[in-house]
Amino acid sequence: QQPVQSPQAVILREGEDAVINCSSSKALYSVHWYRQKHGEAPVFLMILLKGGEQKGHDKISASFNEKKQQSSLYLTASQLSYSGTYFCGTVHSGGSNYKLTFGKGTLLTVNP
Amino acid sequence: SQTIHQWPATLVQPVGSPLSLECTVEGTSNPNLYWYRQAAGRGLQLLFYSVGIGQISSEVPQNLSASRPQDRQFILSSKKLLLSDSGFYLCATGGAGAPDTQYFGPGTRLTVL
Repeated sequence: QQPVQSPQAVILREGEDAVINCSSSKALYSVHWYRQKHGEAPVFLMILLKGGEQKGHDKISASFNEKKQQSSLYLTASQLSYSGTYFCGTVHSGGSNYKLTFGKGTLLTVNP
Repeated sequence: SQTIHQWPATLVQPVGSPLSLECTVEGTSNPNLYWYRQAAGRGLQLLFYSVGIGQISSEVPQNLSASRPQDRQFILSSKKLLLSDSGFYLCATGGAGAPDTQYFGPGTRLTVL
């Protein structure tokens, strides 16, 4: 079951904040976040395990709400380098630990 | 740390021609290996994954096949390419444990004409 990402696209000015959501209709075991710049391979950002933990990476953090079966990626004080497409990948509880199912992505554009 | 190599980086092939894309991994042993395809402007579609030599699981029935002849080598093949096979092919590797964090190689951009 493919997770649903929202919004599909967002445009920011440098320094503004953004939130990207990833929702699943099935119970989640883990959520993985990636960023892909145009013409390049996706780059791993962080992984969150069930348990409602929150992680941070510089000014990018994420939360995982197990009960709501959703994860949110927070980008604060955005920089031009944050531009790209953000994908969440999910592993469902009781499913294969090896397989990630990716959302369709959220295109983030940061302008000067 | 592990490094993923993919070649070729770009490829232009006529419809009906064969295909062979190679992925090799350095810096790890017994990795899980994955082939993804990304159509232009689209998301990531899992094609095949492998948890060991000779062990291939197919996710999408199509004219593609995969093989893993060595522990750190993963090959994607086709006997006859279709126009719809065009896309960005990404090899990824994951650890042996769970949850499996996947890291992507640089990719091969395939255009079928």
